[in-house]
Amino acid sequence: ELKVEQNPLFLSMQEGKNYTIYCNYSTTSDRLYWYRQDPGKSLESLFVLLSNGAVKQEGRLMASLDTKARLSTLHITAAVHDLSATYFCAVEETSGSRLTFGEGTQLTVNP
Amino acid sequence: DAGVTQSPTHLIKTRGQQVTLRCSPKSGHDTVSWYQQALGQGPQFIFQYYEEEERQRGNFPDRFSGHQFPNYSSELNVNALLLGDSALYLCASSLAGFNSPLHFGNGTRLTVT
Repeated sequence: ELKVEQNPLFLSMQEGKNYTIYCNYSTTSDRLYWYRQDPGKSLESLFVLLSNGAVKQEGRLMASLDTKARLSTLHITAAVHDLSATYFCAVEETSGSRLTFGEGTQLTVNP
Repeated sequence: DAGVTQSPTHLIKTRGQQVTLRCSPKSGHDTVSWYQQALGQGPQFIFQYYEEEERQRGNFPDRFSGHQFPNYSSELNVNALLLGDSALYLCASSLAGFNSPLHFGNGTRLTVT
């Protein structure tokens, strides 16, 4: 059974600081997703990572994938308050199959 | 181009009742998946429909059933509601056979009292 673990689960940051969220998974995977979720809202797709060594960046967020280590990271650069949300990684074991989500990382960026 | 639409947005039911949630996939998509997200947790896969058939199923009891219609829209039915069924129910659509990512709807918030 595929297991996906995120850490940390809770993260409180100061504005302007950098930090990394980690996502480990237990079996080989076709794709890895990062989503953002605001309170009471649905999931907003941030990144889809398809291959080993993939790196994608959007604004202050950068995601990478190491399929050999079964590890993905979401790096936050110079955090701002608007980034406060819960971030989920999700693994798609084979193309078109179910997503298995991590527990989520609740990020709070303090002024 | 309409994305994934779900209805209703909120629903309150009593224990033991039955509920039906609806989902229209993004235009051009033919596969619909349903997820349950309890408060403070990540979404859990319920099942996936393609060509009007259940293609995959997660660890949910038979009280959870679904249907997909010829126009690719889908319904999620839950019978004999329990308090623990209170959650955000998310529908996601995709196009089979392509490397298309899932598109999620805004969800239906179900409260069972």
